[in-house]
This record gives sequence, C-alpha cells and structure tokens, in this order.
Amino acid sequence: AQKVTQAQTEISVVEKEDVTLDCVYETRDTTYYLFWYKQPPSGELVFLIRRNSFDEQNEISGRYSWNFQKSTSSFNFTITASQVVDSAVYFCALRSNFNKFYFGSGTKLNVKP
Amino acid sequence: NAGVTQTPKFQVLKTGQSMTLQCAQDMNHEYMSWYRQDPGMGLRLIHYSVGAGITDQGEVPNGYNVSRSTTEDFPLRLLSAAPSQTSVYFCASSYLADSGNTIYFGEGSWLTVV
Repeated sequence: AQKVTQAQTEISVVEKEDVTLDCVYETRDTTYYLFWYKQPPSGELVFLIRRNSFDEQNEISGRYSWNFQKSTSSFNFTITASQVVDSAVYFCALRSNFNKFYFGSGTKLNVKP
Repeated sequence: NAGVTQTPKFQVLKTGQSMTLQCAQDMNHEYMSWYRQDPGMGLRLIHYSVGAGITDQGEVPNGYNVSRSTTEDFPLRLLSAAPSQTSVYFCASSYLADSGNTIYFGEGSWLTVV
C-alpha cells in the first residue's frame, strides 16, 4: 500500500525562526519518487522539489533544505529563517511506478511577523 | 506559456445537476489526471489517463466520468451532482517517460453543490 503521512496539521512560527515539516511515507516499490508542493492562499500548487528513491543526498536551495532518509522512510523539509511569504499549506507526495500520486494531508504553516 | 488550464474556476450547482470541468494542457503530456482536495485530506486521485483513448480509475472515482479523445484535453464530468462533491478540483499533467517527471497542476476549480 502507498501512503504519505504528514502528522503536523498546522504549525505557527514567528518570522526568522527555522521550521521543519515532517513527511513519512510507505511504499513497497523499490523505485519511487518523492515530492514537495506548496499551496499558497491563492490556491495553486507550486512544485518545490523531487527526489528519487536512489538518491539520498540532502539538498539545499536557498532557505529551503530537504532531508531524505530511506531507513526511516522520511522526507523532511526545513525552511531556514522563515518569512511571512512562506505561509502556505505544504504537501508531501509519493509517485509510484503506476503513475499515481499519493499526497499527504498537508501541513499549514503560519509565519507571523 | 499556458501550461494546464482549467475552467471554470468557480461553480455553484444544484443537487442533481450535471456539469463538466474542462482541462487542457499545451505541453504534449501523455499523462493527465484529476484530483479533488478536501479539508484535512490532501489531494485524492479521481481518474487518470496515460494517453488518448486510455483512462483509468483512481482512489475516488464514483460519481465522475472522464474521457480522453485528444492528448490535450481531459474533461471531468459530474453526472448528478451531490453535496459530497463540494470540493476543489485540480487537473494535472506530466510526461509519462518515467515516474519521476514532475506533475504540473492547473489553478483549481472551486465547486459548491447545494
């Protein structure tokens, strides 16, 4: 069974704080892809990052970083020095070989000035 | 660069009415899909297609029909709208070559069934 769990429903931080969004996944596939998407208040879904199951290298892009650990089936997302514009709902997703995306329920991030 | 275009953006329906949500992409993507987003449940796959003439069911297909007569278009039909279908609907597309291809979403369609 394929499943993505985002246990944090909502997180509130003050601007400039660091925040980590957790994502735990389940899959029996040996090849799979993990994604993070951002959904700002305007509603559209914005692609942030993709990682394949063979690449456990962590990635940093500006204030964003991702920690992929197959041993714990986790793909966590950290925002450093958060800003008000980071306020959004963030979704973690798993793509299997059958071209189906499985989304977590999302984490709503509130960054207060 | 249009990407994935959904129409309408907002719609109010009465119970029992039918309607079609339109989705078009101009990126020559083989794969197209429809999701619904409900509070606290993330996005759930309704139907998907891997090419013209080929469709398949996703996680929550009941009450919806799809067809794929062209590569570009993938309309979603609600046959007899029910209040439980009040949701935000997203159309998405990607290349099929490998499962790692990023999926591109439309801007969403807000549907209310009263």
